[in-house]
Amino acid sequence: KAGVTQTPRYLIKTRGQQVTLSCSPISGHRSVSWYQQTPGQGLQFLFEYFSETQRNKGNFPGRFSGRQFSNSRSEMNVSTLELGDSALYLCASSLARPGVETQYFGPGTRLLVL
Amino acid sequence: AQKVTQAQTEISVVEKEDVTLDCVYETRDTTYYLFWYKQPPSGELVFLIRRNSFDEQNEISGRYSWNFQKSTSSFNFTITASQVVDSAVYFCALSEFSQFYFGTGTSLTVIP
Repeated sequence: KAGVTQTPRYLIKTRGQQVTLSCSPISGHRSVSWYQQTPGQGLQFLFEYFSETQRNKGNFPGRFSGRQFSNSRSEMNVSTLELGDSALYLCASSLARPGVETQYFGPGTRLLVL
Repeated sequence: AQKVTQAQTEISVVEKEDVTLDCVYETRDTTYYLFWYKQPPSGELVFLIRRNSFDEQNEISGRYSWNFQKSTSSFNFTITASQVVDSAVYFCALSEFSQFYFGTGTSLTVIP
């Protein structure tokens, strides 16, 4: 079974731009979660989607948004990029309940904001 | 307050030494899950183990073993006879009420 895939793997943007990251979960997994990882803040939960609905949300500003498609693929969008948004963005998938089941992570997208 | 505390920020050991990574968690839920993940330099978090709050049995998998003690809210991870390939950042995580909380990670360097 193919693992979680994320595209692109690397991105360089400038302040004020927006960016869209994509995540394809493991086949059969319907829950997708997004995390931001930075050296200073560690791994922080952004949001979780299940059946095209946002089910949980972390403490991030509204510039961070996401969506999930009917095939469970998910995208996250960051608008008006700031230098502090430079991070590794990780996507994780699970069957349906990430709090109960194991989450499997993708390789991440490294975003650098200049 | 941190839900998951990994007090050891960095550890260095010489190859073939045993090493224990500590994890202390805090929860008010009676049903919760604990996880360990490994993050090699490539960045991908690799799942190692999942344990639910009702299963306090220790587990051994090859060179890896886990010691879960509810009395001390700890879920420690031991690598026996460490190898260079074990060098990575290790994260302990807690899930409660459908939310995941990660510790800040312990960076393990195994010196050949």
